[in-house]
Amino acid sequence: DIQMTQSPSSVSASVGDRVTITCRASQDIISWLAWYQQKPGKAPNLLIYAASTLQSGVPSRFSGSGSGTEFTLTISSLQPEDFATYYCQQAKTLPFTFGQGTKLE
Amino acid sequence: EVQLVESGGTLVQPGGSLRLSCTGSGFILSDRYLDWVRQTPGKGLKWVGRSRNRANSYSTEYAASVKGRFIISRDDSKNSLYLQMTSLKTEDTGVYYCVRVGDDGNWFDPWGQGTLVTVSS
Repeated sequence: DIQMTQSPSSVSASVGDRVTITCRASQDIISWLAWYQQKPGKAPNLLIYAASTLQSGVPSRFSGSGSGTEFTLTISSLQPEDFATYYCQQAKTLPFTFGQGTKLE
Repeated sequence: EVQLVESGGTLVQPGGSLRLSCTGSGFILSDRYLDWVRQTPGKGLKWVGRSRNRANSYSTEYAASVKGRFIISRDDSKNSLYLQMTSLKTEDTGVYYCVRVGDDGNWFDPWGQGTLVTVSS
């Protein structure tokens, strides 16, 4: 299975900050990567797919980059509603696997 | 609005069986791949299995940990997807989400609200 490793596991930030989360894959997944946001008690919500494509309705302060084995999710200016847990997911090969999550607090 | 709603989660003893349901609306289920994903506090998100669309004969795939114990099926007349779980283990405990697979890649959108399965004696 492809292992997905996120860093950091948690990050403390303030409204207005720029935040970057990293996701590393154990093998080349080209650009087959998605990012999700999850708020407490809710299901995950797709933010970015194909490594850098913003899902419809997602604010432009979110961006994704990377290819191969290293990817990043950046929030350019944190808003109060962005405090949540973020997950990456490789979408290249069955079984699809997720990172362990990064809690933004 | 595209929506998925799961049901059927409950407390079940180890070795028991349970069937989860997922009802979709706002899109034609038979046209799309649908997956199940489990979430546990300790082990995060884990992909459980897949039902391909009608064009692909609703063929299925499973995670190694559930293969032979879980079966995914559909009922088009009810716009529903099912997860039949047997020989349940404590490690099967978690919130089970039904998800729609993207048209152009294996990303998941939307997710249902989830249904909690607890396997415990």
